[in-house]
Amino acid sequence: AAGVIQSPRHLIKEKRETATLKCYPIPRHDTVYWYQQGPGQDPQFLISFYEKMQSDKGSIPDRFSAQQFSDYHSELNMSSLELGDSALYFCASSSTGLAVSSGDTQYFGPGTRLTVL
Amino acid sequence: DAKTTQPPSMDCAEGRAANLPCNHSTISGNEYVYWYRQIHSQGPQYIIHGLKNNETNEMASLIITEDRKSSTLILPHATLRDTAVYYCIVRVAGSGGYQKVTFGTGTKLQVIP
Repeated sequence: AAGVIQSPRHLIKEKRETATLKCYPIPRHDTVYWYQQGPGQDPQFLISFYEKMQSDKGSIPDRFSAQQFSDYHSELNMSSLELGDSALYFCASSSTGLAVSSGDTQYFGPGTRLTVL
Repeated sequence: DAKTTQPPSMDCAEGRAANLPCNHSTISGNEYVYWYRQIHSQGPQYIIHGLKNNETNEMASLIITEDRKSSTLILPHATLRDTAVYYCIVRVAGSGGYQKVTFGTGTKLQVIP
């Protein structure tokens, strides 16, 4: 079965540079969530999109922005990168078309490992 | 979302059943119990979820107590590849992108040869 695709898988940037992470949800999934996982920490929710509109927002820095496109893929744009932005970034997708009993299950991608030097 | 409590770590012998407990005493009637696991630095993997009935799939079984205040994830025959951090999460299901997953500290399961 098709899974969530994230690219790139690894990214190395210098401080103050910008980075763009991409997420391709499972086909026919209309909702995308972004999570950040710092070293030794649990994943933390950043932001979500439903039908191309931002729906929920977590502890996402103002330097970060994201959007969901007409084909439902999403991009997380990160500017003025700081050392503390080094982390794993996961994207998850879900579908509102599934029955409630399916519970709106989120399926996670493999992540992008961002290293800021 | 309701708070969950899990033991920080557990060991299990390879080939034996792994029983991972979770307490969620403040769970609301419309909240599901979800289990995910994360193998080192990989994306969290969905395992199973349930509302009030016990559930079983190809990966695991989920036993939810009648009062729904606790649950147990059962891996019937643990293998070394099941070594991971297991997260018990309770959340409302629905649409619209408002149902973020809030991860707690989870249980680090070590399967021992």
